[in-house]
Amino acid sequence: QLQMQESGPGLVKPSETLSLTCTVSGGSITSTGFYWGWVRQPPGKGLEWIGNIYYGGNTFYNPSLQSRVTISVDTSLNQFSLKLTSFTAADTAVYHCASGYRSGSPFEYWGQGTLVTVSS
Amino acid sequence: YELTQPPSVSVSPGQTASITCSGDQLGDKFASWYQQRPGQSPVLVIYHDKKRPSGIPERFSGSNSGNTATLTISGTQAMDEADYFCQTWDSNTAIFGGGTKLTVL
Repeated sequence: QLQMQESGPGLVKPSETLSLTCTVSGGSITSTGFYWGWVRQPPGKGLEWIGNIYYGGNTFYNPSLQSRVTISVDTSLNQFSLKLTSFTAADTAVYHCASGYRSGSPFEYWGQGTLVTVSS
Repeated sequence: YELTQPPSVSVSPGQTASITCSGDQLGDKFASWYQQRPGQSPVLVIYHDKKRPSGIPERFSGSNSGNTATLTISGTQAMDEADYFCQTWDSNTAIFGGGTKLTVL
């Protein structure tokens, strides 16, 4: 059973870059066909997809965030990461890493989520 | 592309709850549904319109036709009270509905 755990700072200053890591256990991040993604949820609101990275390295991002987002994989650590630049109060949210098998399939596996808040 | 859900649905224990998700020609795409209890991560309860992942009770079912996907919970239990989100894909972009709060009372 695939398990995922997010890690990173709980506070980010305005205009700085958020960096989060998702550590995968119970399977290899290089497993054929899997995709690895990030979904966020502002407090009290709905789910917003940030982007995915697919087996083979292709990335797809939410058009509304595309200019500020980078998702990458570190195969040596069995991790993937999210970088979100120019952080603002509107980016305050619980950030989940999530995964599925094959393009077009649902997010079957989810991390527990980590709350990231803008600091004044 | 947008998916629209009702903000809230109420149901009495033991009755059937239906939660809808509307989008342009949604029936031509695959719909998935996620359950999210307070303070927890989403859990996949229906995928590919009507398939249930292992461990999801049979009372959860789904359909998708025309512009509307529907999640149906038969014999609703108190433990089913949660937020439910629909999701589909549009050109490699994941789209989530705004979510529906299911109240069992």
